Amino acid sequence: DIQMTQSPSSLSASVGDRVTITCRASQGISNYLAWYQQKPGKVPKLLIYAASTLQSGVPSRFSGSGSGTDFTLTISSLQPEDVATYYCQKYNSARGTFGQGTKVEIK
Amino acid sequence: EVQLVQSGAEVKKPGESLKISCKGSGYSFTSYWIGWVRQMPGKGLEWMGIIYPGDSDTRYSPSFQGQVTISADKSISTAYLQWSSLKASDTAMYYCARSRLVVTSADAFDIWGQGTMVTVSS
Repeated sequence: DIQMTQSPSSLSASVGDRVTITCRASQGISNYLAWYQQKPGKVPKLLIYAASTLQSGVPSRFSGSGSGTDFTLTISSLQPEDVATYYCQKYNSARGTFGQGTKVEIK
Repeated sequence: EVQLVQSGAEVKKPGESLKISCKGSGYSFTSYWIGWVRQMPGKGLEWMGIIYPGDSDTRYSPSFQGQVTISADKSISTAYLQWSSLKASDTAMYYCARSRLVVTSADAFDIWGQGTMVTVSS
């Protein structure tokens, strides 16, 4: 099975900072990669699919890039409402796998 | 409005059986895959399996194969997740979620249910 590894596991940044989260697949998955945001006590929300396509309604400060095995989620200017745990998910086969999550906090 | 509405929280004893549900509305239920995701207390998301309600084609994560059963009743637009013998380690929040595109199983989840908390304790 393909494993998804996120880094870092947590980070603390200031409002307005640029934040980057990395997700690495143990095998190539083309661009079959999604990013989700889960705020404390809330349901996960799809942010990005196909590695770089922003889901409708998601603020443009979120962006995704990558293909093959290495992917990134970038928040261009961190806002207080972005405090959450972020998960990548591969879906290149009929079995999806999530990364372990990255918790983002405000410094 | 497209939505998935899950059944309510459950408290069960070890060894008991359980079936939780996820009802879709506002879209063609038979045309989109429905997945189940586990989140144990304080932990991350785990992909359990998916089902295509149109023909009940089902795929499981190796970690959950044989541990749970995923099914669907397309006549009432409802998917199910069931256990025959619960364990304390099954205590978790369980989410259902819909694939973004019709037909394809290889897709992200764009619509999520509100979650069903299952607590297994003696």
